[in-house]
Amino acid sequence: QSALTQPASVSGSPGQSITISCTGTSSDVGSYNYVSWYQQHPGKAPKLMIFDVSNRPSGVSFRFSGSKSDNTASLTISGLQAEDEADYYCSSYTSRSTLEVFGGGTKLTLL
Amino acid sequence: EVQLVQSGAEVKKSGESLKISCKVSGYTFTSYWIGWVRQMPGRGLELMGILYPGDSDTRYSPSFQGHVTISADKSISTAYLQWSSLKASDTAMYYCARRPTSVSPMDYWGQGTLVTVSS
Repeated sequence: QSALTQPASVSGSPGQSITISCTGTSSDVGSYNYVSWYQQHPGKAPKLMIFDVSNRPSGVSFRFSGSKSDNTASLTISGLQAEDEADYYCSSYTSRSTLEVFGGGTKLTLL
Repeated sequence: EVQLVQSGAEVKKSGESLKISCKVSGYTFTSYWIGWVRQMPGRGLELMGILYPGDSDTRYSPSFQGHVTISADKSISTAYLQWSSLKASDTAMYYCARRPTSVSPMDYWGQGTLVTVSS
Protein backbone atom coordinates (compact mmCIF):
# COMPACT_ATOMS: atom_id res chain seq x y z
CA GLN A 1 0.00 0.00 0.00
CA SER A 2 1.44 3.35 -1.09
CA ALA A 3 1.90 6.19 1.36
CA LEU A 4 -0.03 8.62 -0.86
CA THR A 5 -3.44 7.75 -2.33
CA GLN A 6 -4.23 8.33 -5.99
CA PRO A 7 -7.14 7.09 -8.10
CA ALA A 8 -6.12 4.05 -10.11
CA SER A 9 -7.40 5.53 -13.34
CA VAL A 10 -8.92 8.61 -14.90
CA SER A 11 -10.08 9.24 -18.42
CA GLY A 12 -10.95 12.16 -20.62
CA SER A 13 -11.56 13.14 -24.22
CA PRO A 14 -9.13 15.17 -26.31
CA GLY A 15 -9.47 18.85 -25.52
CA GLN A 16 -11.06 18.27 -22.12
CA SER A 17 -9.49 18.83 -18.71
CA ILE A 18 -8.89 16.24 -16.01
CA THR A 19 -7.69 16.41 -12.43
CA ILE A 20 -5.77 13.72 -10.55
CA SER A 21 -5.83 13.83 -6.76
CA CYS A 22 -3.10 12.76 -4.35
CA THR A 23 -4.11 12.39 -0.72
CA GLY A 24 -1.57 12.20 2.07
CA THR A 25 -1.42 13.19 5.71
CA SER A 26 -0.19 15.97 7.96
CA SER A 27 3.22 14.22 7.94
CA ASP A 28 3.72 14.78 4.23
CA VAL A 29 1.43 16.62 1.79
CA GLY A 30 -0.28 18.64 4.51
CA SER A 31 2.90 20.03 6.03
CA TYR A 32 5.30 20.56 3.16
CA ASN A 33 5.21 22.28 -0.21
CA TYR A 34 7.47 19.58 -1.63
CA VAL A 35 4.87 17.86 -3.79
CA SER A 36 5.94 16.71 -7.23
CA TRP A 37 4.25 15.02 -10.16
CA TYR A 38 5.88 12.64 -12.64
CA GLN A 39 4.64 11.37 -15.99
CA GLN A 40 5.66 7.91 -17.19
CA HIS A 41 4.95 6.48 -20.61
CA PRO A 42 5.11 2.67 -21.02
CA GLY A 43 8.67 1.41 -21.08
CA LYS A 44 10.11 4.86 -20.38
CA ALA A 45 11.69 6.56 -17.42
CA PRO A 46 9.54 8.98 -15.40
CA LYS A 47 9.60 12.66 -16.31
CA LEU A 48 9.21 15.50 -13.82
CA MET A 49 6.13 17.58 -14.67
CA ILE A 50 5.45 19.63 -11.52
CA PHE A 51 7.61 20.40 -8.47
CA ASP A 52 7.02 22.28 -5.22
CA VAL A 53 3.24 21.87 -5.62
CA SER A 54 2.73 24.14 -8.62
CA ASN A 55 5.98 24.87 -10.46
CA ARG A 56 6.68 23.61 -13.97
CA PRO A 57 10.21 22.70 -15.06
CA SER A 58 11.46 24.33 -18.21
CA GLY A 59 9.97 22.67 -21.26
CA VAL A 60 6.83 21.32 -19.61
CA SER A 61 3.62 22.47 -21.24
CA PHE A 62 1.54 25.17 -19.54
CA ARG A 63 -1.39 22.73 -19.85
CA PHE A 64 -0.04 21.01 -16.73
CA SER A 65 -0.73 22.69 -13.40
CA GLY A 66 -0.59 21.71 -9.75
CA SER A 67 -2.26 22.79 -6.53
CA LYS A 68 -2.70 21.72 -2.93
CA SER A 69 -5.37 22.02 -0.26
CA ASP A 70 -4.80 20.62 3.22
CA ASN A 71 -3.62 17.01 2.82
CA THR A 72 -4.55 16.68 -0.86
CA ALA A 73 -2.54 17.74 -3.88
CA SER A 74 -3.92 17.85 -7.41
CA LEU A 75 -2.59 17.72 -10.94
CA THR A 76 -4.74 19.27 -13.65
CA ILE A 77 -4.14 18.69 -17.33
CA SER A 78 -6.08 20.99 -19.62
CA GLY A 79 -6.67 20.60 -23.35
CA LEU A 80 -5.95 16.86 -23.26
CA GLN A 81 -3.78 15.58 -26.09
CA ALA A 82 -3.00 12.05 -27.24
CA GLU A 83 0.55 12.23 -25.88
CA ASP A 84 -0.79 12.91 -22.36
CA GLU A 85 -1.93 9.29 -22.11
CA ALA A 86 0.45 7.89 -19.49
CA ASP A 87 0.82 6.98 -15.84
CA TYR A 88 1.11 9.84 -13.36
CA TYR A 89 2.73 9.64 -9.94
CA CYS A 90 2.67 12.17 -7.14
CA SER A 91 5.38 12.35 -4.49
CA SER A 92 5.89 14.30 -1.32
CA TYR A 93 8.59 14.85 1.24
CA THR A 94 7.68 13.12 4.48
CA SER A 95 8.84 13.72 8.02
CA ARG A 96 8.45 10.01 8.74
CA SER A 97 11.62 9.06 6.91
CA THR A 98 13.14 12.37 5.79
CA LEU A 99 12.88 11.10 2.23
CA GLU A 100 9.98 11.21 -0.15
CA VAL A 101 7.04 8.92 -0.66
CA PHE A 102 5.10 8.21 -3.84
CA GLY A 103 1.49 7.66 -4.67
CA GLY A 104 0.43 4.42 -6.28
CA GLY A 105 0.05 6.03 -9.69
CA THR A 106 -2.88 6.97 -11.91
CA LYS A 107 -3.36 5.71 -15.44
CA LEU A 108 -4.71 8.42 -17.71
CA THR A 109 -6.66 7.11 -20.70
CA LEU A 110 -7.86 9.22 -23.57
CA LEU A 111 -11.29 8.30 -24.84
CA GLU B 1 23.63 18.09 -21.65
CA VAL B 2 22.82 16.27 -18.43
CA GLN B 3 22.87 12.50 -18.90
CA LEU B 4 22.58 9.53 -16.56
CA VAL B 5 23.49 6.29 -18.29
CA GLN B 6 22.80 3.07 -16.46
CA SER B 7 24.37 -0.34 -16.89
CA GLY B 8 22.60 -3.04 -18.86
CA ALA B 9 19.99 -5.59 -17.91
CA GLU B 10 20.99 -8.35 -15.53
CA VAL B 11 19.71 -11.91 -15.07
CA LYS B 12 20.79 -13.47 -11.79
CA LYS B 13 19.91 -16.33 -9.45
CA SER B 14 18.66 -16.01 -5.87
CA GLY B 15 21.51 -15.64 -3.45
CA GLU B 16 23.88 -14.04 -5.95
CA SER B 17 25.34 -10.58 -5.51
CA LEU B 18 24.94 -7.69 -7.93
CA LYS B 19 26.14 -4.13 -8.43
CA ILE B 20 24.53 -1.88 -11.03
CA SER B 21 25.84 1.50 -12.07
CA CYS B 22 24.75 4.96 -13.12
CA LYS B 23 27.34 7.11 -14.91
CA VAL B 24 26.56 10.79 -15.09
CA SER B 25 27.80 13.56 -17.36
CA GLY B 26 26.96 17.16 -18.13
CA TYR B 27 27.05 18.45 -14.56
CA THR B 28 29.23 18.39 -11.45
CA PHE B 29 28.66 14.94 -9.96
CA THR B 30 29.61 15.98 -6.44
CA SER B 31 27.14 18.89 -6.28
CA TYR B 32 23.88 16.99 -6.68
CA TRP B 33 22.19 14.13 -4.86
CA ILE B 34 21.54 10.85 -6.68
CA GLY B 35 18.47 8.77 -5.90
CA TRP B 36 17.65 5.16 -6.72
CA VAL B 37 14.05 4.23 -7.49
CA ARG B 38 12.56 0.75 -7.76
CA GLN B 39 9.64 -0.15 -10.00
CA MET B 40 8.44 -3.71 -9.68
CA PRO B 41 6.62 -5.23 -12.68
CA GLY B 42 3.30 -3.46 -13.19
CA ARG B 43 3.74 -1.47 -10.00
CA GLY B 44 4.51 2.07 -8.90
CA LEU B 45 7.64 3.98 -7.99
CA GLU B 46 9.49 3.53 -4.70
CA LEU B 47 12.40 5.66 -3.55
CA MET B 48 15.07 3.34 -2.18
CA GLY B 49 17.59 5.90 -1.00
CA ILE B 50 19.68 8.91 -1.87
CA LEU B 51 23.38 9.71 -1.85
CA TYR B 52 25.32 12.97 -1.94
CA PRO B 53 28.58 12.14 -3.73
CA GLY B 54 30.24 15.27 -2.36
CA ASP B 55 30.49 13.86 1.16
CA SER B 56 28.97 10.37 0.76
CA ASP B 57 25.97 11.29 2.95
CA THR B 58 23.59 8.36 2.31
CA ARG B 59 19.98 8.01 3.41
CA TYR B 60 17.79 4.95 2.94
CA SER B 61 14.04 4.58 2.94
CA PRO B 62 13.01 2.35 5.86
CA SER B 63 11.84 -0.45 3.54
CA PHE B 64 15.26 -0.73 1.93
CA GLN B 65 17.61 -0.07 4.85
CA GLY B 66 19.87 -3.08 5.29
CA HIS B 67 18.80 -4.70 2.03
CA VAL B 68 20.82 -2.65 -0.45
CA THR B 69 23.90 -0.45 -0.47
CA ILE B 70 24.19 2.83 -2.34
CA SER B 71 27.65 4.16 -3.10
CA ALA B 72 29.59 6.31 -5.55
CA ASP B 73 33.01 6.70 -7.14
CA LYS B 74 33.67 10.41 -7.56
CA SER B 75 36.69 9.80 -9.79
CA ILE B 76 34.47 8.39 -12.54
CA SER B 77 31.21 10.23 -11.75
CA THR B 78 29.36 6.98 -11.16
CA ALA B 79 26.83 5.91 -8.58
CA TYR B 80 26.09 2.31 -7.64
CA LEU B 81 23.32 0.19 -6.20
CA GLN B 82 24.29 -3.20 -4.88
CA TRP B 83 22.87 -6.32 -3.30
CA SER B 84 24.85 -8.95 -1.40
CA SER B 85 22.21 -11.66 -1.74
CA LEU B 86 19.44 -11.24 -4.30
CA LYS B 87 15.91 -12.53 -3.86
CA ALA B 88 13.28 -13.24 -6.50
CA SER B 89 11.35 -10.29 -5.10
CA ASP B 90 14.20 -7.98 -6.20
CA THR B 91 13.05 -8.47 -9.80
CA ALA B 92 12.30 -4.96 -10.97
CA MET B 93 13.36 -2.00 -13.04
CA TYR B 94 15.77 0.26 -11.18
CA TYR B 95 16.23 3.92 -12.05
CA CYS B 96 18.84 6.40 -10.91
CA ALA B 97 17.92 10.07 -10.91
CA ARG B 98 19.49 13.40 -10.06
CA ARG B 99 18.12 15.71 -7.41
CA PRO B 100 19.50 19.19 -6.66
CA THR B 101 18.95 18.93 -2.89
CA SER B 102 17.90 16.24 -0.45
CA VAL B 103 14.29 17.46 -0.64
CA SER B 104 14.21 18.38 -4.33
CA PRO B 105 12.36 16.32 -6.89
CA MET B 106 14.30 14.15 -9.31
CA ASP B 107 14.84 16.26 -12.39
CA TYR B 108 16.91 13.98 -14.65
CA TRP B 109 16.57 10.23 -14.86
CA GLY B 110 18.59 7.33 -16.19
CA GLN B 111 17.06 4.94 -18.70
CA GLY B 112 16.62 2.18 -16.12
CA THR B 113 18.26 -1.18 -15.45
CA LEU B 114 16.08 -4.29 -15.49
CA VAL B 115 17.12 -6.85 -12.90
CA THR B 116 15.60 -10.31 -13.17
CA VAL B 117 16.20 -12.77 -10.34
CA SER B 118 15.21 -16.39 -10.73
CA SER B 119 14.67 -18.73 -7.84
